[in-house]
Amino acid sequence: AQSVAQPEDQVNVAEGNPLTVKCTYSVSGNPYLFWYVQYPNRGLQFLLKYITGDNLVKGSYGFEAEFNKSQTSFHLKKPSALVSDSALYFCAVRDWNRDDKIIFGKGTRLHILP
Amino acid sequence: GAGVSQSPSNKVTEKGKDVELRCDPISGHTALYWYRQSLGQGLEFLIYFQGNSAPDKSGLPSDRFSAERTGGSVSTLTIQRTQQEDSAVYLCASSENRGGGGELFFGEGSRLTVL
Repeated sequence: AQSVAQPEDQVNVAEGNPLTVKCTYSVSGNPYLFWYVQYPNRGLQFLLKYITGDNLVKGSYGFEAEFNKSQTSFHLKKPSALVSDSALYFCAVRDWNRDDKIIFGKGTRLHILP
Repeated sequence: GAGVSQSPSNKVTEKGKDVELRCDPISGHTALYWYRQSLGQGLEFLIYFQGNSAPDKSGLPSDRFSAERTGGSVSTLTIQRTQQEDSAVYLCASSENRGGGGELFFGEGSRLTVL
């Protein structure tokens, strides 16, 4: 069965600094990988996904993520953090070989300090 | 509206009562998911419907939980004999699936409080 790990419950970054939110996954086949964001008192929003092709994918709000097959990672990054990026971020995976369900990590709370 | 619609948005019930939560997915989306979000617990998978295939019920926490999807559209999650630990936000999401790579579109959730 597939699984996702987000090793950090919380990440604090100063505004203007680069940010990274970590995600590692485990699937028996090939993964589809996703990042979602949940702002306070709002629903979950899709940020970006890796399906195939370039390992570096770009998404909404200036975020990007790099698929690393050897390290089974899909870390979320942004070159310069904004206070408005403060939110709860979820990584998710699907094993496309098995047409399986999408599983989410426990989430990482990102605090951008002004 | 064009988004995923869930009702009720808030439900307060007494322990032991049954509750029904409804999800109206985006028209044409073949995949429908239910997740549960508890404080500090992330997004817990409950059940997955894909087209006419048998649903994946592997995430349902007990036999008090059940879900159905009628006509490939609207879904209802039923919790029987509610317990306090069932208190959470129940999220529904739908997807075009598109070979499995379609992203999920989430509803605003149904917040369940069991007293």
